[in-house]
Amino acid sequence: EDQVTQSPEALRLQEGESSSLNCSYTVSGLRGLFWYRQDPGKGPEFLFTLYSAGEEKEKERLKATLTKKESFLHITAPKPEDSATYLCAVQAGWGGATNKLIFGTGTLLAVQP
Amino acid sequence: GAVVSQHPSWVICKSGTSVKIECRSLDFQATTMFWYRQFPKQSLMLMATSNEGSKATYEQGVEKDKFLINHASLTLSTLTVTSAHPEDSSFYICSARGPSNQPQHFGDGTRLSIL
Repeated sequence: EDQVTQSPEALRLQEGESSSLNCSYTVSGLRGLFWYRQDPGKGPEFLFTLYSAGEEKEKERLKATLTKKESFLHITAPKPEDSATYLCAVQAGWGGATNKLIFGTGTLLAVQP
Repeated sequence: GAVVSQHPSWVICKSGTSVKIECRSLDFQATTMFWYRQFPKQSLMLMATSNEGSKATYEQGVEKDKFLINHASLTLSTLTVTSAHPEDSSFYICSARGPSNQPQHFGDGTRLSIL
């Protein structure tokens, strides 16, 4: 069964304290791994797509990496405005079998000034 | 780019009322649209997938007669919650996607409260 697990469930950082969020996945045929940011009462905001092991993407203080079993979202010198829930999702299946995303339960990040 | 607009953002209505939620892709053609439900402090639960001009595919346990989905064009999908009851109160979020493997882009959700 395809599965996505995120850890930790919640993370509290001081402003400037770098850390990483983990997304472990077990899927049959990874087509893409997606990172989203969700603010309270809003829909998820797209951050990155990673397609193959070894791939890395960066955007401001965020960097996403991918291996064959997991992805990390590295946050360098975070600011309070980085506080949000970060969601990881995978798209799996081959031969046009499925379009849907399988979401993890998210990591709630709080960055204190 | 890749903006998805969802309307209304908040609905309060009486039990037994039917409620329609619209989801529009503003600057791209959405081959596929998705409807999710999210409970407090939980992740997104996929309800159904719809392709333009086709019948929606519902996830197991989702009543298709309760949650009517129409995807009449490449930029618009609607979700109608028919004869809504308090247990249907939730946060409903739509997403839209272009060709395969492109990321889904989400609307800002609709908070539905049934009294």
